Amino acid sequence: ILNVEQSPQSLHVQEGDSTNFTCSFPSSNFYALHWYRWETAKSPEALFVMTLNGDEKKKGRISATLNTKEGYSYLYIKGSQPEDSATYLCASTSFGNEKLTFGTGTRLTIIP
Amino acid sequence: GEEVAQTPKHLVRGEGQKAKLYCAPIKGHSYVFWYQQVLKNEFKFLISFQNENVFDETGMPKERFSAKCLPNSPCSLEIQATKLEDSAVYFCASSQSVQGIVAGDQPQHFGDGTRLSIL
Repeated sequence: ILNVEQSPQSLHVQEGDSTNFTCSFPSSNFYALHWYRWETAKSPEALFVMTLNGDEKKKGRISATLNTKEGYSYLYIKGSQPEDSATYLCASTSFGNEKLTFGTGTRLTIIP
Repeated sequence: GEEVAQTPKHLVRGEGQKAKLYCAPIKGHSYVFWYQQVLKNEFKFLISFQNENVFDETGMPKERFSAKCLPNSPCSLEIQATKLEDSAVYFCASSQSVQGIVAGDQPQHFGDGTRLSIL
């Protein structure tokens, strides 16, 4: 993996269902993995930052895991609500380089 | 302030004109980043600052783009002789330092962006 990649590009989920999506990133020289929630015309909102292999973070119904050896992270949303509709962006940083390298996001739409 | 403030929200310029965008980082944050968001949610890093000093400018198109962060003033991103492909949303973000150094594990706090349209 040379770039940060996210899948799927878009996702429609029935309200109340749980869902998850994937972020793949270069594992060489990896430092941290960031997840952001972004609604168009607003500012991206920081959800999680993870650094260690096996890290798990949770914020309400949203949680994330990190596998640095194979270079992927999962974001999980339990019991989806309409307000979860947004684009979820992941980004990685490398050692000695604080700039965020973004994936192109997963656009999540919750169907009431 | 408690939020990153970007102005203006929208900016329209004719091709060849100058465009200047402003960003006030969160008070107490030492680091400022500029990103350009074009098609398909692609966020491209442009430049970062540690206080008023350029930290990383590897993403900046050097011919027409310049940026500054001066003491007691908002940071600015200026584009000379704009081109159609400069049309994008420009996001500014700020973060705290950890023991005086930039840490890639600190969350970056984003502004709402400036939408630049070149006609």
